[in-house]
Amino acid sequence: SQTIHQWPATLVQPVGSPLSLECTVEGTSNPNLYWYRQAAGRGLQLLFYSVGIGQISSEVPQNLSASRPQDRQFILSSKKLLLSDSGFYLCAWSTWGGGYTEAFFGQGTRLTVV
Amino acid sequence: EDQVTQSPEALRLQEGESSSLNCSYTVSGLRGLFWYRQDPGKGPEFLFTLYSAGEEKEKERLKATLTKKESFLHITAPKPEDSATYLCAVQSLNTGTASKLTFGTGTRLQVTL
Repeated sequence: SQTIHQWPATLVQPVGSPLSLECTVEGTSNPNLYWYRQAAGRGLQLLFYSVGIGQISSEVPQNLSASRPQDRQFILSSKKLLLSDSGFYLCAWSTWGGGYTEAFFGQGTRLTVV
Repeated sequence: EDQVTQSPEALRLQEGESSSLNCSYTVSGLRGLFWYRQDPGKGPEFLFTLYSAGEEKEKERLKATLTKKESFLHITAPKPEDSATYLCAVQSLNTGTASKLTFGTGTRLQVTL
């Protein structure tokens, strides 16, 4: 069965510090990978998605970047964090079977920028 | 632009008191509508996919239905363990092979004894 790992679970970082959140998927090949952010009182917002190694699409201009160095690894980064980067970050995966498919989420990382 | 609106924002039920959650959507061609359950501090857990008007899906005490403009999540005889935030999301036909979802802000359900 497929599993998704996301770490760390919680993170407190000072303003201006770098960020690296990692996500890995097991049990599937060539998944689509996603980074979402969930802010208090707001719906999940898609930040980045990737349909293959090295292929990154950005949905929202911001202080963050994403990379996919391996088939089942997705990384969210920032060179200098802003207070507004605080939130709940979720990694997700899906597969393309010739039609729509649901996305499956990791357990999330709670990021607090202080 | 795809939009999803969920109501009510919060709902408090007594155990056994059935009710429905609403998800209204506008999308440029619906590929799929998804329901998720989210517990506090956790990632969303997939519940259902619906893709055409008239379709229904059931799982234990939950039943999801779909029309051309909205979806309902019916909860029959809920139990305290059904307490969670329920999220609705849509995927439009023009997203290619990526499952890019537009989410609503959710309905926070509390079921009391």
